[in-house]
Amino acid sequence: AQSVAQPEDQVNVAEGNPLTVKCTYSVSGNPYLFWYVQYPNRGLQFLLKYITGDNLVKGSYGFEAEFNKSQTSFHLKKPSALVSDSALYFCAVRDPRGGGNKLTFGTGTQLKVEL
Amino acid sequence: GAGVSQSPSNKVTEKGKDVELRCDPISGHTALYWYRQSLGQGLEFLIYFQGNSAPDKSGLPSDRFSAERTGGSVSTLTIQRTQQEDSAVYLCASSPRDRVANTGELFFGEGSRLTVL
Repeated sequence: AQSVAQPEDQVNVAEGNPLTVKCTYSVSGNPYLFWYVQYPNRGLQFLLKYITGDNLVKGSYGFEAEFNKSQTSFHLKKPSALVSDSALYFCAVRDPRGGGNKLTFGTGTQLKVEL
Repeated sequence: GAGVSQSPSNKVTEKGKDVELRCDPISGHTALYWYRQSLGQGLEFLIYFQGNSAPDKSGLPSDRFSAERTGGSVSTLTIQRTQQEDSAVYLCASSPRDRVANTGELFFGEGSRLTVL
């Protein structure tokens, strides 16, 4: 079975400061990992993914995420947060061998960036 | 349209009534997913369609829930005898077949908010 955990319901950060949104996963094989963002009253938007290759992946809006196999983590990061980054962020995992084409999402982390 | 379209955007119904939620995926996308988003529960997988293959129904929470996809395009999620715990936002997503198989990137609609009184 595949699963993903987002241990923080909410993360608060001041504009201009670096931000980290945490995600850990559990799969039987090599994972495909994703971050999605949901702005208020909108559907989810794809942000970035890790499939293979470099452990540091870069995505939209200046976000990046680091795949750490030993810690089974895929934390989302941004060097300098903006107020407009405030949204709900979801981590997702897919086990291409055991999970078929189903993406399993975490419970989401609300990011609040304040002036 | 350019994106995934869902209707209705909001639905209020009484306990025990049946509801139908519609999803119109991006043209040409062969994969279609339904997820349910409840407060504090994240996204819960419900069902997955891929072309003419048998759907993956493993996420449907009870036999009151069913979904069909006609002609490989539009999908309808039906909830019979609705209960208050069915209140949630129901999200539909689609993807090209090769995108799903290789990376899993999904394109989501804005959802249908269901409130069962």
